[in-house]
Amino acid sequence: AQSVTQLDSHVSVSEGTPVLLRCNYSSSYSPSLFWYVQHPNKGLQLLLKYTSAATLVKGINGFEAEFKKSETSFHLTKPSAHMSDAAEYFCVVSAQIGNEKLTFGTGTRLTIIP
Amino acid sequence: EPEVTQTPSHQVTQMGQEVILRCVPISNHLYFYWYRQILGQKVEFLVSFYNNEISEKSEIFDDQFSVERPDGSNFTLKIRSTKLEDSAMYFCASRDNRGNTIYFGEGSWLTVV
Repeated sequence: AQSVTQLDSHVSVSEGTPVLLRCNYSSSYSPSLFWYVQHPNKGLQLLLKYTSAATLVKGINGFEAEFKKSETSFHLTKPSAHMSDAAEYFCVVSAQIGNEKLTFGTGTRLTIIP
Repeated sequence: EPEVTQTPSHQVTQMGQEVILRCVPISNHLYFYWYRQILGQKVEFLVSFYNNEISEKSEIFDDQFSVERPDGSNFTLKIRSTKLEDSAMYFCASRDNRGNTIYFGEGSWLTVV
């Protein structure tokens, strides 16, 4: 069984300040972890993924995430928020062994204050 | 960059009607999926499809739902007799046989009235 908990349903930051979106996971196997972003009226776009290689993963648009097995966390960060980062962010887990099904978190809505 | 395309982008249908949502996965991909997102809720897995058969399905994917790959490019989701609670955004997705990155389409909004 696998699950994902996104600890904040809504995060607001000022433009130019750091972004932190928190995610904790639970998985019976060594998981693959993903962050997807959904802009208004758009589909799901892959930001980055962790698949048991480097624990610090860099993605698109300056985002990165660190896999911490001891804390079962995969938090998403960005040093400096941009107005275009305003969107819904989903932390997603899949078990690597025999299970292709993705399990989504409830999402975090990121608002950028000008 | 290759992408998953879905049609229609939005469909309104009357309760009890049949609906077919269409998807064109990325061309060299072999694994296909449908997910849905009811307004304000989580994105939920519906079904995965490989080698012309369903490989896994969720509890949501009951007898009202079916999937088909009628030709070499399209992947369809059929809802036989729609209910109000089927109103949701339906996402098609695909991946190739090497990586585990799943690519999503932009979704089809289904509104059942």
